[in-house]
Amino acid sequence: QVQLVESGGGVVQPGGSLRLSCAASGFSFSSYGMHWVRQAPGKGLDWVAFIRFDGSNQYYPDSVKGRFTISRDNSKNTLYLQMNSLRAEDTAVYYCAKDDLNWTPGQYWGRGTLVTVSS
Amino acid sequence: QSVLTQPPSVSAAPGQKVTISCSGSSSNIGIGNNYVSWYQQLPGTAPKLLIYDNNKRPSGIPDRFSGSKSGTSATLGITGLQTGDEADYYCGTWDSSLSAGVFGGGTKLTVL
Repeated sequence: QVQLVESGGGVVQPGGSLRLSCAASGFSFSSYGMHWVRQAPGKGLDWVAFIRFDGSNQYYPDSVKGRFTISRDNSKNTLYLQMNSLRAEDTAVYYCAKDDLNWTPGQYWGRGTLVTVSS
Repeated sequence: QSVLTQPPSVSAAPGQKVTISCSGSSSNIGIGNNYVSWYQQLPGTAPKLLIYDNNKRPSGIPDRFSGSKSGTSATLGITGLQTGDEADYYCGTWDSSLSAGVFGGGTKLTVL
């Protein structure tokens, strides 16, 4: 069965960096685009990044562009999110999600990993 | 301010029907190849896909849930409401002008 497991969350100071990982299994990882979506405490869903199946293109909202980098290692079935210059407003649960070939997060999501940006 | 606009809350009695609207624009929902998805989120859990490609249901999702799209808007319908349907619901799609994914602000469903 499809599984997505995020890791790498934690507490980081403003201006710091963190790298999240998402280990995928149960499907042909190299055939699907992948998303990162976050949710701040008590707030709605906020799309963070999308990478195409082969890593050829990456997309970001203005709120994280230039600070966050999505990447993937298809040989390791793993998705990454490198987060730099972190701000308090980046505090959220970060989910990875498999794209269902329609450029939106699909049926499979991880359980999320909490990132807290605080001094 | 979300790119897609949803009502903050809706409510209805058990057994009744409710609809949740999702209003977008010509750069997202209004583009034919930009498909709308709907998600249900229970407290403390990851979002669950209810509807994809505007009106399709993943396996395991009951036909009480339906989706439609017209022009720059989409609608989620839920019939035969159950107390277990109380949750937050989100619409999402791709915005071709922003080259970014976008979500609605979410709608809290209360089953009275």
